[in-house]
Amino acid sequence: AQTVTQSQPEMSVQEAETVTLSCTYDTSENNYYLFWYKQPPSRQMILVIRQEAYKQQNATENRFSVNFQKAAKSFSLKISDSQLGDTAMYFCAFMNENSGYALNFGKGTSLLVTP
Amino acid sequence: DAGVIQSPRHEVTEMGQEVTLRCKPISGHDYLFWYRQTMMRGLELLIYFNNNVPIDDSGMPEDRFSAKMPNASFSTLKIQPSEPRDSAVYFCASSLGLAGGPTQYFGPGTRLTVL
Repeated sequence: AQTVTQSQPEMSVQEAETVTLSCTYDTSENNYYLFWYKQPPSRQMILVIRQEAYKQQNATENRFSVNFQKAAKSFSLKISDSQLGDTAMYFCAFMNENSGYALNFGKGTSLLVTP
Repeated sequence: DAGVIQSPRHEVTEMGQEVTLRCKPISGHDYLFWYRQTMMRGLELLIYFNNNVPIDDSGMPEDRFSAKMPNASFSTLKIQPSEPRDSAVYFCASSLGLAGGPTQYFGPGTRLTVL
């Protein structure tokens, strides 16, 4: 079974600064997908970014970008120009065909953006 | 297009009562997933459907839990009888699967409290 590890339970960053959230995973598969989801206090799960394992180029979405290191099985999320609205829980998740496209989540990182 | 719709948003019930959670996936999505979120266990998959057929229910905790998808636009998760340890947030998510894009879109969740 694939495991997803987020080693930082809590992080804090000042507004306008950059922060990086870590995620590692364990799989023997070659084809898979990785995701970052955001869960603000409203508890809605919101997709932040997606990365296909077969793509070498790191995914970016506006202020959000990833550093995907396939050999190291690492998938970190970088948030640039942090905003107060970025305060949330962030979950890293893994998916592949063998899991039936179900998401396997890490435990999450609680990010606080301070003024 | 409307997102995934879940009802009720909040449910408070007493131990032993039957609870039914409802989900309407995004129109055209052929995969539907039920997840449960607790502090102790994080986000975990309960069951998922493809084209209304249950594919993997290995995450369903026990026989007290059952899920159905009578048509492409509606699914239910039933707990009978409910117990205090069932208290959690229950999420429904839908996707197009690998061919159409595996990203899962989540509903707002149902917060269940069993007294």
